[in-house]
Amino acid sequence: EPEVTQTPSHQVTQMGQEVILRCVPISNHLYFYWYRQILGQKVEFLVSFYNNEISEKSEIFDDQFSVERPDGSNFTLKIRSTKLEDSAMYFCASKIGIKSYNSPLHFGNGTRLTVT
Amino acid sequence: AQSVTQPDIHITVSEGASLELRCNYSYGATPYLFWYVQSPGQGLQLLLKYFSGDTLVQGIKGFEAEFKRSQSSFNLRKPSVHWSDAAEYFCAVGGNAGGTSYGKLTFGQGTILTVHP
Repeated sequence: EPEVTQTPSHQVTQMGQEVILRCVPISNHLYFYWYRQILGQKVEFLVSFYNNEISEKSEIFDDQFSVERPDGSNFTLKIRSTKLEDSAMYFCASKIGIKSYNSPLHFGNGTRLTVT
Repeated sequence: AQSVTQPDIHITVSEGASLELRCNYSYGATPYLFWYVQSPGQGLQLLLKYFSGDTLVQGIKGFEAEFKRSQSSFNLRKPSVHWSDAAEYFCAVGGNAGGTSYGKLTFGQGTILTVHP
């Protein structure tokens, strides 16, 4: 079964550095998402992306965050200047566009970001 | 605003016992409801979903859930738990405003399930 793949599985960075989290969604999917889960807290929606633009973003997704689909397969989340509170597990997810209401959201295994 | 509450942070059951994980939601319209499971180091795997129709939905791994609109609940059940079911379980409600909103999920806090042999 096709999967959403995320790399790296774990990234450690210093405060103030830029990080790029990478995701390869399922190939025929059209809707893309980033979620995050701070340790011990709920999984939270960050942003949705469709047709090469952001569809919706949460309050968390401020100017430090950006997303991009640089080619036909990758979907990236960039944090421009990381803060300690950005430490979390980041999940990428994708969804097929046809009959989208009834199709499941497929999640990757996540990237654990640790900001020191 | 939509919200999901999972009242039980941690549940312990014996292998072979029945299981019920509680989920209550708040949503202004007909909700789309989901249960996901997360094993350590793994992503979120969809167990089952409810969109409309029969309020008792069957999922993978022998799980089922019942949608009760009057109680705003979507509890997850399994008649006989296996040791491999030990994981964290998340209830979520999805948007229904079209397009990408269907994938914008609001999650509960999660319930950690421990299974004793």
